[in-house]
Amino acid sequence: SQKIEQNSEALNIQEGKTATLTCNYTNYSPAYLQWYRQDPGRGPVFLLLIRENEKEKRKERLKVTFDTTLKQSLFHITASQPADSATYLCALDNTGGFKTIFGAGTRLFVKA
Amino acid sequence: DAGVIQSPRHEVTEMGQEVTLRCKPISGHNSLFWYRQTMMRGLELLIYFNNNVPIDDSGMPEDRFSAKMPNASFSTLKIQPSEPRDSAVYFCASSSQGTDEKLFFGSGTQLSVL
Repeated sequence: SQKIEQNSEALNIQEGKTATLTCNYTNYSPAYLQWYRQDPGRGPVFLLLIRENEKEKRKERLKVTFDTTLKQSLFHITASQPADSATYLCALDNTGGFKTIFGAGTRLFVKA
Repeated sequence: DAGVIQSPRHEVTEMGQEVTLRCKPISGHNSLFWYRQTMMRGLELLIYFNNNVPIDDSGMPEDRFSAKMPNASFSTLKIQPSEPRDSAVYFCASSSQGTDEKLFFGSGTQLSVL
């Protein structure tokens, strides 16, 4: 069966450290993978998109890697801040871009 | 642009009643998605439209759920009759598929069925 797995346990880190979140998938062949941030009571907000032919993508303090052999994406937040505390969702397309499926998300807590 | 607009923000209803959720996508976007989010099941895709046409409704849980998109600027998700297990946050999202795949989400409708 198709699965998108993110660490269900919350990730607690100290301010200034790098947070690394994992997204694994099975029985999908996505053309791209996306990461979103969700704050309580709000809808998800797009952060980064990485395509299948890209190994790495960066945006300010964010970095995403995509390994289609391992079927895994890693999401890094460097120099983390308490304001980075949120739930982070990975998402991938199922049929060429129209059908976007989300993982359950990982809750990140950054302590000052 | 005001972003994706959903209404109502909160809905409390009794079991058996009809519920209609509304969504106005971002102008110019050609795809619209309805998702449901619960603690147990996360963010589930219910149905998506492309150019106002329903493409895949395999995520719609039962016949009690229906969705329409009569024009490019409006969509509804209807539950009739509603049941307590339908309680969840319902999100609408839109995108410009083919040029930019990222989704823009509304603020959601918190539905409580008593």
